[in-house]
Amino acid sequence: QQQVKQSPQSLIVQKGGISIINCAYENTAFDYFPWYQQFPGKGPALLIAIRPDVSEKKEGRFTISFNKSAKQFSLHIMDSQPGDSATYFCAASMKGSGSRLTFGEGTQLTVNP
Amino acid sequence: DTGVSQDPRHKITKRGQNVTFRCDPISEHNRLYWYRQTLGQGPEFLTYFQNEAQLEKSRLLSDRFSAERPKGSFSTLEIQRTEQGDSAMYLCASSLGWAAGYTFGSGTRLTVV
Repeated sequence: QQQVKQSPQSLIVQKGGISIINCAYENTAFDYFPWYQQFPGKGPALLIAIRPDVSEKKEGRFTISFNKSAKQFSLHIMDSQPGDSATYFCAASMKGSGSRLTFGEGTQLTVNP
Repeated sequence: DTGVSQDPRHKITKRGQNVTFRCDPISEHNRLYWYRQTLGQGPEFLTYFQNEAQLEKSRLLSDRFSAERPKGSFSTLEIQRTEQGDSAMYLCASSLGWAAGYTFGSGTRLTVV
């Protein structure tokens, strides 16, 4: 059972544009929603995370928008740069699960110069 | 402290052989996780430790897999009688407490031929 669905699978954006990646979850017990960035040959790196008591969190060019009623959250990358080209994963976990993360399938982002 | 380190980075083995991977977490992190990632997919949870206690194992972790974390420091993941389906990237991560974000290592890429 896939509990976190991510879209799109791939995304091409021009330099300076906005990249938007969406995730939907099923389990209402999830209470922590991080986004990870992964470059080829590297492990995922935590970008930004949100808890369901807020609807938006911004860190630099990265913003998470969270819609609890729709069970959806999204990552917005403002002023996208070629260096942002990577695979992005959303994830979710719930208290009591030992912080076990359930990941989405990933979005391969390409930012063209 | 240079983060989470994993050894080896790459391992090629023949089907039926046993392999062992090592993970050295960030020293002050009490939680250690193992995930498996196949090409084009998000990481899948295998198991986690809090200090030296293995608190949860995924159903993905067949009886051919065993993980240890003696003395709550480094961890090993052993796969016995490897199968071609075991070919994947094995990722280790550590965190401090349940609410903290993970730090992943760069992974061990296993190829079973």
